[in-house]
Amino acid sequence: EIVLTQSPGILSLSPGERATLSCRASHSVRTNYLAWYQQMPGQAPRLVIFGASSRATGIPDRFSGSGFGTDFTLTISRLEPEDFAVYYCQQYDNGSTFGQGTKVEIK
Amino acid sequence: QVQLVQSGPELKKPGSSVKVSCKASGDTFSSFPFTWVRQAPGQGLEWVGGIIPITASTKYAQNFQDRVTITADESTNTVYMDLTSLRIDDTAVYYCARGFQNDFWNGYYLGESWGQGTLVTVSS
Repeated sequence: EIVLTQSPGILSLSPGERATLSCRASHSVRTNYLAWYQQMPGQAPRLVIFGASSRATGIPDRFSGSGFGTDFTLTISRLEPEDFAVYYCQQYDNGSTFGQGTKVEIK
Repeated sequence: QVQLVQSGPELKKPGSSVKVSCKASGDTFSSFPFTWVRQAPGQGLEWVGGIIPITASTKYAQNFQDRVTITADESTNTVYMDLTSLRIDDTAVYYCARGFQNDFWNGYYLGESWGQGTLVTVSS
């Protein structure tokens, strides 16, 4: 099983700042089968990025994904108030597993 | 925009079974894959399994291999998740999600559009 470790656990930032979220895999994720989801309190997850770097429908271009192999990053270039949420990475190369999440909170 | 409507909350005893439904709007049901993900209270996300309705092919997480069955009824555009031998730690919100059209490779895992979630509580 591929274990995903996300860091940091909590990211405290102000609106307008840049957010950089990390997702590290215990084994290489072949063909970049790595997705990112955003989850607001009490809501279902929302797909943000798939294939490591492709934005899902309706996702603003301030969100970008990068990385390959075992190290992946989600970057939010300028935080908007609606971006403060929990973000999960998911690998779907070998079955599927999720990271434990990174909470992006308002500083 | 597809709408996924899940069945209501369930209260179950340990050892019993639960069947959660997920009805999709629209008329291209079979060409989309579906996945199920659960979230225990205050915890992260956990993949349960997925189905490709047009082939009825399924994949399940190893943790649930012997206890979960996912099916699809094309006549009613509904996907079902059946979980047996329920334990206290199966208490969670269960989400269904639809993947990308004709993605029959990764479709078991990815969720592009999500249902509202169904709370399953297992308690004696």
